Amino acid sequence: SQKIEQNSEALNIQEGKTATLTCNYTNYSPAYLQWYRQDPGRGPVFLLLIRENEKEKRKERLKVTFDTTLKQSLFHITASQPADSATYLCARLQSNAGNMLTFGGGTRLMVKP
Amino acid sequence: EPEVTQTPSHQVTQMGQEVILRCVPISNHLYFYWYRQILGQKVEFLVSFYNNEISEKSEIFDDQFSVERPDGSNFTLKIRSTKLEDSAMYFCASIGTSGNYEQYFGPGTRLTVT
Repeated sequence: SQKIEQNSEALNIQEGKTATLTCNYTNYSPAYLQWYRQDPGRGPVFLLLIRENEKEKRKERLKVTFDTTLKQSLFHITASQPADSATYLCARLQSNAGNMLTFGGGTRLMVKP
Repeated sequence: EPEVTQTPSHQVTQMGQEVILRCVPISNHLYFYWYRQILGQKVEFLVSFYNNEISEKSEIFDDQFSVERPDGSNFTLKIRSTKLEDSAMYFCASIGTSGNYEQYFGPGTRLTVT
């Protein structure tokens, strides 16, 4: 079965720097990958979707890339702010299975002022 | 902005008791989901529901679990006989018609089984 893996160690960066988070998957490429933000005790909040045939997607300070050769998606936050501190989740969407999501374990980002 | 709501926010129950977790998805959404997150672990898919029936379910969603959309607005998850390991945060989610397949999650119900 396919696994979605994220670095479980927290990422600490200085305000203003670019944060880069990694999502790796095994076996076949998912047709769709989504990224969500989760704050403590709250539900995930959708950020971006990238399709298998897309190399890159942007939204404001966020950028997601998809490399099917490396079996990896990278999530970037440019000009990071303390308010960006949260856990970021990568998820495979299965459009042929009721659009269910398989989540990675998430990476906690801490942006220090 | 429309949002998914869930009640209660926290439910404490004794092992072996039945619990019902309630959700009100966004009104024009068509797909509904339950996920759970054990403390410190990943968010796990339980079940998806479309057109008044289950479309997918995970191995976690065994005979102790059931879902229902009784009145066209509420979406419920029932656990018939709770176990200690059912203690988790339970999230309801729904999808609208955007091409992003964006799932809107509720705030969650924290279930504590003692």
